[in-house]
Amino acid sequence: EPEVTQTPSHQVTQMGQEVILRCVPISNHLYFYWYRQILGQKVEFLVSFYNNEISEKSEIFDDQFSVERPDGSNFTLKIRSTKLEDSAMYFCASRGDSDSGGYTFGSGTRLTVV
Amino acid sequence: DAKTTQPTSMDCAEGRAANLPCNHSTISGNEYVYWYRQIHSQGPQYIIHGLKNNETNEMASLIITEDRKSSTLILPHATLRDTAVYYCIVRVGAAGNKLTFGGGTRVLVKP
Repeated sequence: EPEVTQTPSHQVTQMGQEVILRCVPISNHLYFYWYRQILGQKVEFLVSFYNNEISEKSEIFDDQFSVERPDGSNFTLKIRSTKLEDSAMYFCASRGDSDSGGYTFGSGTRLTVV
Repeated sequence: DAKTTQPTSMDCAEGRAANLPCNHSTISGNEYVYWYRQIHSQGPQYIIHGLKNNETNEMASLIITEDRKSSTLILPHATLRDTAVYYCIVRVGAAGNKLTFGGGTRVLVKP
């Protein structure tokens, strides 16, 4: 069964450093998403991406965040200057072009900012 | 997207059917009902979705009331590995729309 692959599984970084979280969505999918989940809290939407541009973003997704699909297969989330409160699980998801189809999530990257 | 209401938690016995309710009384005609689950801290896993008709797949069945204001996810023979948080999400059926997760129901399957 096709999978969404995320790397690394765990990243530890110092406050103020830049991090890039990587995702390989399912190959024929067209819509891509990043979500995050702070420990013990809900899964929160960050951003959606379609046709090489952001289609929607949440209030969390401020100027410190950016997304890119650099080579047609990878989908990355960059945090420019990490803060302690950015510590969370980050999930990538993708879906096809059916109006009602399911979303496939990756297994996540646990980001720890120290 | 319409708001959903789910019980915070429920227990069920291994081997028995687990019936997970969800209220979505403000659902509109073009909104689908989706169910996802999250086992421990893994990524959410798609279970099933429907618009009006009841649906069944290899994982579960989805029963949607005729007025569409509530639904029930049925896990026919719960196993210990079905212990997870189950999310009922209502979403407009436009291809790019995001999923909005609530608190879900924490299901504990007991031996």
